[in-house]
Amino acid sequence: QVQLVESGGDLVEPGGSLRLSCAASGFTFSGYSMTWVRQAPGKGLEWVAHIGSSGSPMNYADSVEGRFTISRDNAKNSLYLQMNSLRAEDTAVYYCARDGSATVDFDSWGQGTLVTVSS
Amino acid sequence: QSALTQPASVSGSPGQSITISCTGTSSDVGYYNFVSWYQQQQGKAPKLMIYEVSNRPSGVSNRFSGSKSGNTASLTISGLQAEDEADYYCSSYTRRSTYVFGTGTKVTVL
Repeated sequence: QVQLVESGGDLVEPGGSLRLSCAASGFTFSGYSMTWVRQAPGKGLEWVAHIGSSGSPMNYADSVEGRFTISRDNAKNSLYLQMNSLRAEDTAVYYCARDGSATVDFDSWGQGTLVTVSS
Repeated sequence: QSALTQPASVSGSPGQSITISCTGTSSDVGYYNFVSWYQQQQGKAPKLMIYEVSNRPSGVSNRFSGSKSGNTASLTISGLQAEDEADYYCSSYTRRSTYVFGTGTKVTVL
């Protein structure tokens, strides 16, 4: 059974940094591309970043380009999101999602971790 | 990248059919057949309902169907049930090798 568990969400001041993790189990992690999606309180879904199965390519939303870095460690079955220069508008629940193996979609999702950027 | 446009809300009575539209551009919805739909119930993670315009993952009811014409994709829910009440989001791959979600539609079962 596919399981994705996010962690690392916290309250951080504007300008600060945070690293999110996503622990994957129940499937061959190294065989799948992965994605981060966020959802601000009461708002819709926003695609954040994507990484290929072997670590490349990496693609980012314009809103986070240059501030966030997506990475993965296939030996540890883990996905990461390093978030720097955080802004109030980055406040959201961050979900990690597995890409479809041969399809273009997000077929499994974690439960999310809350990031709050506030002074 | 602007969000795809969806109606804010759609409602219907049990047993009726409803359709949710998702309008993008020739650089996303209109360019690829890579539109997917997600159901998000209150307080839960999204769930994949339709992939690549019109395909249903295993376990998703055949009451859910998808289609596309030009820059607009659609999700139809037939035989509406109380359990279908949720927020629905479309998503599309784009020519910039990124993804974009729709603005979201709240479905209410009357």
